[in-house]
Amino acid sequence: QVQLQESGPGLVKPSQTLSLTCTVSGGSISSGDYYWSWIRQPPGKGLEWIGYIYYSGSTYYNPSLKSRVTISVDTSKNQFSLKLSSVTAADTAVYYCARGESIAALPDYWGQGTLVTVSS
Amino acid sequence: QSVLTQPPSASGTPGQRVTISCSGSSSNIGSNYVYWYQQLPGTAPKLLIYRNNQRPSGVPDRFSGSKSGTSASLAISGLRSEDEADYYCAAWDDSLSGQVFGGGTKLTVL
Repeated sequence: QVQLQESGPGLVKPSQTLSLTCTVSGGSISSGDYYWSWIRQPPGKGLEWIGYIYYSGSTYYNPSLKSRVTISVDTSKNQFSLKLSSVTAADTAVYYCARGESIAALPDYWGQGTLVTVSS
Repeated sequence: QSVLTQPPSASGTPGQRVTISCSGSSSNIGSNYVYWYQQLPGTAPKLLIYRNNQRPSGVPDRFSGSKSGTSASLAISGLRSEDEADYYCAAWDDSLSGQVFGGGTKLTVL
């Protein structure tokens, strides 16, 4: 069974870049069978799709975040990563990585999530 | 505000049947599959329903999904205390070229 695990700093200063990595086990990113997503949830609020990446490197981003987001993949490490630049307090959230079976399919497996707080 | 609209809260007593609605538009629910997630406090969302009405392995048949036009609903029958959670609907949106979620419905088992 596939497992996803997020990792990265839990505290980021305003205006800096948030960087997270998702390590996939129990399945290969380079199989090409899935799309790999980032989704976030501010404390006490709902879910927001950030974007996703295919093993080839093709990316799809939420238009509202597109200017600040970069998602990349490292198939040799079976990992994919998120960078969000120029963060503010509004970017404080639990960040989840997840797997979906196609472009239009919502995720079936999710990581446990990691809380990132933006504060000086 | 969320692209998909859900009631903020719902409630029921043990054994009862409750439904949670999700309203969208022609660019999302109207033309794509609907998914439902259950989120227990402090945990990641868990897939409950996919492709409008399909249950992943391990999800009890007490949970069912349906879709009509630009709306969808999740029904939970034989309500149990462990069903108390937040429930989210989601779909792909052709206009946004991205995934969209409902704002979530907090289900309370009285």
